[in-house]
Amino acid sequence: EPEVTQTPSHQVTQMGQEVILRCVPISNHLYFYWYRQILGQKVEFLVSFYNNEISEKSEIFDDQFSVERPDGSNFTLKIRSTKLEDSAMYFCASSSDGVWTFGSGTRLTVV
Amino acid sequence: EDQVTQSPEALRLQEGESSSLNCSYTVSGLRGLFWYRQDPGKGPEFLFTLYSAGEEKEKERLKATLTKKESFLHITAPKPEDSATYLCAVQARDAGNMLTFGGGTRLMVKP
Repeated sequence: EPEVTQTPSHQVTQMGQEVILRCVPISNHLYFYWYRQILGQKVEFLVSFYNNEISEKSEIFDDQFSVERPDGSNFTLKIRSTKLEDSAMYFCASSSDGVWTFGSGTRLTVV
Repeated sequence: EDQVTQSPEALRLQEGESSSLNCSYTVSGLRGLFWYRQDPGKGPEFLFTLYSAGEEKEKERLKATLTKKESFLHITAPKPEDSATYLCAVQARDAGNMLTFGGGTRLMVKP
């Protein structure tokens, strides 16, 4: 069964450092997303991406965040200067025909 | 603002003891309601999509139903392997491809 692949599974970074989270969406999907889940809280929408541009973004997705599809398979989330409150599970997802498929996530810990 | 509320927050069942999980939603116009299963440290795993009131979907021991204000996930004769957090999410007509998640119900099934 097709799956969304995320790397790394865990990332520890110092406050103020830049991090890049990577995702390989399902190959024939056209919409890509990033969500995050702070420990014990709801899954929250960050951004959606279609046709090589951002289609929607939440209030969380401020200037510190950016997304990119650098080639035909990868989809990345960059956080320019990490803060303690960025510590969370970050999930990549892709969708087609009304079905969203999520990856297993990257656990980001900012120290 | 779209809202999704799930109850109960946690549910303990004995193996074979059937029960239902509730998802109440408030959206400007529902495009789809989604149920996901989430195991600890993993991403949400798709279960069902419901589109209109009266619709029902079944998969093994799970059955999802939808009304104009809420959805139920019925679990018939659960097994310990059904233990997980069950997430409900909605896609509103005016929210593009963004999903709004509820807080989840943590289900524990004891043998």
